[in-house]
Amino acid sequence: GAGVSQSPRYKVAKRGQDVALRCDPISGHVSLFWYQQALGQGPEFLTYFQNEAQLDKSGLPSDRFFAERPEGSVSTLKIQRTQQEDSAVYLCASSPGDRGLMWVQPQHFGDGTRLSIL
Amino acid sequence: AQKITQTQPGMFVQEKEAVTLDCTYDTSDQSYGLFWYKQPSSGEMIFLIYQGSYDEQNATEGRYSLNFQKARKSANLVISASQLGDSAMYFCAMNRGNAGNMLTFGGGTRLMVKP
Repeated sequence: GAGVSQSPRYKVAKRGQDVALRCDPISGHVSLFWYQQALGQGPEFLTYFQNEAQLDKSGLPSDRFFAERPEGSVSTLKIQRTQQEDSAVYLCASSPGDRGLMWVQPQHFGDGTRLSIL
Repeated sequence: AQKITQTQPGMFVQEKEAVTLDCTYDTSDQSYGLFWYKQPSSGEMIFLIYQGSYDEQNATEGRYSLNFQKARKSANLVISASQLGDSAMYFCAMNRGNAGNMLTFGGGTRLMVKP
């Protein structure tokens, strides 16, 4: 389809394991965002890419969280040594990212990855 | 820092009636965007409507309209002629103009449409 694609849709891991979440943005979208959504709350910003450059990672909760977008399209969010508090839905969003118009552009979200840490 | 407040955790509306979902925001920026998203129980986040801080007219998109009152820092969503499929969580969000496009979200309002 033409929308943002995330995989896997669901992920269950044991505490201490590493996980990798994938995001395939809308074709041609320059900006890519990761958000974390705890149960019953609004999403919270994690990190932001403009092409392959990670311009803001201020929302990453710890150094166990790492994101990359090496070729400026697909992005991977990696969580090392997972903890129970990492259980959440991880949402990826993309937007066209034209300079000068970025703040008027809506972000388009994927269906999210629901991560459960046992 | 930016902050979005949605004071209605849950709301009921009768099918075919109009409903207003409240959103207030706090920012020191002059340039910003305000967005509303719908999140059904299936989990996807669906973009509904947008208002820029310099837009003088309220945004409309089909049955959705945004009641933007800049001086009061409010951006309420109005849904006309409610349908059963409108039952979902609704999130108000804003970004910072010229300082990154990341969104700050409110806590959401759960809307339930009664037949």
